[in-house]
Amino acid sequence: ETGVTQTPRHLVMGMTNKKSLKCEQHLGHNAMYWYKQSAKKPLELMFVYSLEERVENNSVPSRFSPECPNSSHLFLHLHTLQPEDSALYLCASKGWPRRETQYFGPGTRLLVL
Amino acid sequence: AQTVTQSQPEMSVQEAETVTLSCTYDTSESDYYLFWYKQPPSRQMILVIRQEAYKQQNATENRFSVNFQKAAKSFSLKISDSQLGDAAMYFCAYYNRDDKIIFGKGTRLHILP
Repeated sequence: ETGVTQTPRHLVMGMTNKKSLKCEQHLGHNAMYWYKQSAKKPLELMFVYSLEERVENNSVPSRFSPECPNSSHLFLHLHTLQPEDSALYLCASKGWPRRETQYFGPGTRLLVL
Repeated sequence: AQTVTQSQPEMSVQEAETVTLSCTYDTSESDYYLFWYKQPPSRQMILVIRQEAYKQQNATENRFSVNFQKAAKSFSLKISDSQLGDAAMYFCAYYNRDDKIIFGKGTRLHILP
């Protein structure tokens, strides 16, 4: 499935590094999401963007900074992360015609050392 | 608040056999959607099947079908003729007009050759 792409697929970073995750959707959708998936934990919704405006921030620490420059692109900027931030970060999008259905990207596996 | 419960953390099935994954949910709404997503070891969350609550007919997609019992708030997934490629984590999810999707904790399905 190539409707939603994410880069990089794998990322290793130190706690003092700054990096960015990128998500791009080719489905013409108008809403995009960041999720965190940790081992043995439920999927955690982090941020929601609708029509390029952030509509939800689920008490995410400020070391995670989202950016949505247009309806096709979503970034997650990372700085001074902690080892417990190591996880799979999933991007999803949704929109017309199935406004209720989210389509996911392949994820970025992040390891913070 | 709406909740989604998957009571089977892990299941195994012999190749070519049929398996049923359970999902129950709690809601006071009458209009909503239910989903099953599959997440193979490759990590990408893939939509398997989608059910609109106002439709009594159970959704089917090839070897995948659901048993939707609205009064019982139950939404089980049946996989017929199980194949090795069906091995994955399966997530049940709920969506309503609050525009939020709620995921269950997942069931890991093993296919035994």
